[in-house]
Amino acid sequence: DAGVTQSPTHLIKTRGQQVTLRCSPKSGHDTVSWYQQALGQGPQFIFQYYEEEERQRGNFPDRFSGHQFPNYSSELNVNALLLGDSALYLCASSLFERVFSGANVLTFGAGSRLTVL
Amino acid sequence: QKEVEQNSGPLSVPEGAIASLNCTYSDRGSQSFFWYRQYSGKSPELIMSIYSNGDKEDGRFTAQLNKASQYVSLLIRDSQPSDSATYLCAVLLNRDDKIIFGKGTRLHILP
Repeated sequence: DAGVTQSPTHLIKTRGQQVTLRCSPKSGHDTVSWYQQALGQGPQFIFQYYEEEERQRGNFPDRFSGHQFPNYSSELNVNALLLGDSALYLCASSLFERVFSGANVLTFGAGSRLTVL
Repeated sequence: QKEVEQNSGPLSVPEGAIASLNCTYSDRGSQSFFWYRQYSGKSPELIMSIYSNGDKEDGRFTAQLNKASQYVSLLIRDSQPSDSATYLCAVLLNRDDKIIFGKGTRLHILP
């Protein structure tokens, strides 16, 4: 049973550049959430995708955008990179119907570590 | 007030003792609560979920929930060096179905 896979695992960009991170959810999951985790901090919610639409969004600027594909995989795009965007970007998948039962357990991928120079 | 608050630690506990980790949350209507463990350089992994007031036990782990006090805790009995990690408290917000994490508590088990 494949878990959540993310790519790339590490990448280095310079200020002003754009980056795309990719995520394939756990088999059977249909919802993808993205989190940003700065060093020494907890994961911060960026947004959540279900049925190819953004359902929820955290306090992140429009430079952060995403997409979900028909096969449930997802991309996170960040434009005009800032030094402060350096972080571990975590993708987590879940099953949407379990949200309403409250049992919305997230399964995380290994993350993509972004360094902005 | 932050939505999910945890003491960042580090919390140092002797091997074999009980480690107690605490978390408070602000969304009074929240019904689902989670504890994740995160080893350095790794991604979070779920260790416990709890939805009802009271205690829930799973092996050496016990989660405790008090919705009236908006308080969640995690007890780790017979602490092992392998329990040394950051423990993240997470809450499914009632108002908008987002799962929000605290900053995490670093736990260090002393051999």
